Amino acid sequence: EVVLTQSPGTLSLSPGERATLSCRASQSVNSLYIAWYQQRPGQAPRLLIYGSSNRATGIPDRFSGSGSGTDFTLSISRLEPEDFAVYFCQQFGSSPWTFGQGTKVDIK
Amino acid sequence: EVQLVQSGPEVKKPGESLKISCKASGYDFSKFWIAWVRQMPEKGLEWVGVIYPGDSDARYSPSFQGQVSISVDTSLTTASLQWISLKASDTAIYYCARHPYGRPYDSWGQGTLVTVSS
Repeated sequence: EVVLTQSPGTLSLSPGERATLSCRASQSVNSLYIAWYQQRPGQAPRLLIYGSSNRATGIPDRFSGSGSGTDFTLSISRLEPEDFAVYFCQQFGSSPWTFGQGTKVDIK
Repeated sequence: EVQLVQSGPEVKKPGESLKISCKASGYDFSKFWIAWVRQMPEKGLEWVGVIYPGDSDARYSPSFQGQVSISVDTSLTTASLQWISLKASDTAIYYCARHPYGRPYDSWGQGTLVTVSS
């Protein structure tokens, strides 16, 4: 099973700042099979990034993804109030599909 | 518009059975996998399993194999997640999500809260 470890657990930032979230895999994952999801309180997750760096439909360009092999990154260039949420990475290249434990981005 | 609408919250006792559902609309139901994901209170996301409605091929996470059953009714464009004997540790929100083959989960249901308590 591929274990995804996200860091940090919590990121405390102010609106307008840049957020950088990390997702490290226990073994190499084809970047085509890495996705990032955002979950706001009380809501279902929604797809942000797929194929490591492609934005899903309707996702603003302040969100970007990168990475390969075992290290992947989600960046938010300038935090808007609605971006304060929990972010999960996922790999779906090797069954069982797995999620990271999440990074919470909260307001400093 | 792709929509996944899940059944309402459930409160059950340990040992009881339960089936929750996920009604799909807005696309060809038979051609996309449906995944189930668990989120325990204040915790992260866990992959339960997937099913392909075209042939009812179901696959499970080892953590959930034998504990739950996933099925579909293509005439109702509905996927279901079922327990024979619930435990308190099954208390969680369960999400269904559309899973295009080789792609991530692009649409999610609103979630079904299952509470198991004596």
